[in-house]
Amino acid sequence: QLQLQESGPGLVKPAETLSLTCTVSGDSINSNYYYWGWIRQPPGKGLEWIGSIFYSGTSYYNPSFKSRVTMSVDTSKIQFSLKLSSVTAADTAIYYCVRCFWSTYEALIMDVWGQGTTVTVSS
Amino acid sequence: QSVLTQPPSVSAAPGQKVTISCSGSSSNIGNNYVSWYQQLPGTAPKLLIYDNNKRPSGIPDRFSGSKSGTSATLGITGLQTGDEADYYCGTWDRSLSAVVFGGGTKLTVL
Repeated sequence: QLQLQESGPGLVKPAETLSLTCTVSGDSINSNYYYWGWIRQPPGKGLEWIGSIFYSGTSYYNPSFKSRVTMSVDTSKIQFSLKLSSVTAADTAIYYCVRCFWSTYEALIMDVWGQGTTVTVSS
Repeated sequence: QSVLTQPPSVSAAPGQKVTISCSGSSSNIGNNYVSWYQQLPGTAPKLLIYDNNKRPSGIPDRFSGSKSGTSATLGITGLQTGDEADYYCGTWDRSLSAVVFGGGTKLTVL
């Protein structure tokens, strides 16, 4: 059974770079079918898609983050990562790593979610 | 301000049926397929419906989805107290080139 586990600092200073890693267990990250992604949820608010990446490096980023976000996949460690630069208090949120797939009708579906990790941006 | 519009809250009694609406535009719901996610209190969201009306393995048929034009609807029958959660709709937006979500609807089972 696939499991995703986020890890990384819970506190990041303003203007610094937020770095998170998601460890995949129970399945291969080299799938020709699945993408791997990140979604965040600010306190008391809704969901926001950050982006998704294929194991080969092909990626889709939310234009709202595009200039600040970098995603990568490390197949040897069976992990994928998120880097978000120049953070502000508005980036405070629960960050979820997810497995995604493109359905037959070209919709990007998030079918497995990690438990989430809380990141606070504060000095 | 979310791209997709959902009612902030809905409520119904145990055993009853409830529907949750999700309204969008031609750049998202009107030309793409909708997913629904359930977020129980204090937990991560879970995929409930995808491609408008398909249920992943393990999701009971009490949950259903439909779409018409630029709106989608999640239906839940035989309501249980365990269904109390936040429900989110989501889809791809062609203009934004991004996955977009509704603001979420809190379901209360009275």
